[in-house]
Amino acid sequence: DIVMTQSPDSLAVSLGERATINCKSSQSVLYYSTNKNFLAWYQQKPGQPPKMLFYWASTRKSGVPDRFSGSGSGTDFTLTISSLQAEDVAVYYCQQYYRTPVTFGGGTKVEIK
Amino acid sequence: QLQLQESGPGLVKPSETLSLTCTVSGDSLSSSSYYWGWIRQTPRKGLEWIGSIHSSGSTYYNPSLKSRLTISVDTSKNHFTLELTSVTAADTAVYYCAKDGLGGSGTTNWFDPWGQGTLVTVSS
Repeated sequence: DIVMTQSPDSLAVSLGERATINCKSSQSVLYYSTNKNFLAWYQQKPGQPPKMLFYWASTRKSGVPDRFSGSGSGTDFTLTISSLQAEDVAVYYCQQYYRTPVTFGGGTKVEIK
Repeated sequence: QLQLQESGPGLVKPSETLSLTCTVSGDSLSSSSYYWGWIRQTPRKGLEWIGSIHSSGSTYYNPSLKSRLTISVDTSKNHFTLELTSVTAADTAVYYCAKDGLGGSGTTNWFDPWGQGTLVTVSS
């Protein structure tokens, strides 16, 4: 199975500041023939199901604020919140779909400092 | 608007079978080219993909659960079901159903949207 490792486990950021979440896969999730990274990002708020934010590593789902961005390729990926808002407090997960079983990272909890 | 709703017993005894149904509204399973999946979440193991099914009946299962798992679809009722046999306390989790994010791909991709989830506790 492809193991997804996220870091840090949690971070506290001041309102308006940048939050950066890292995700590393145990093998590349880049499909060379299409140059697409088979990676998604999700946001989960307390008591709610995960909500998809990005697919193909950097394609933002319609309606997701543009302060969120996804980047990276191969085995190293980043989710960035450029200016943290109170409503962004949540746990964020990455997921690879390059190979079944699809697998998720352990999550990064984002809080307000 | 597409909505998914999980239903089933919240308490299952050890060694018995866990059965859940995901009812889909706002989309038709019979005309869909998408896979539909089950994912569970526990504090210890986090998010774990269980398996996915296409309206044709084609399935992908997590190998770690495959020997105990059956996912089926009933397009006439617009729902799909999960059956997990010989459950133990380790199967206690919030179970989610979700739509695969990429139609026509022939495999499992990202999940969007998800149902609200249902807590299943395995205990005598």
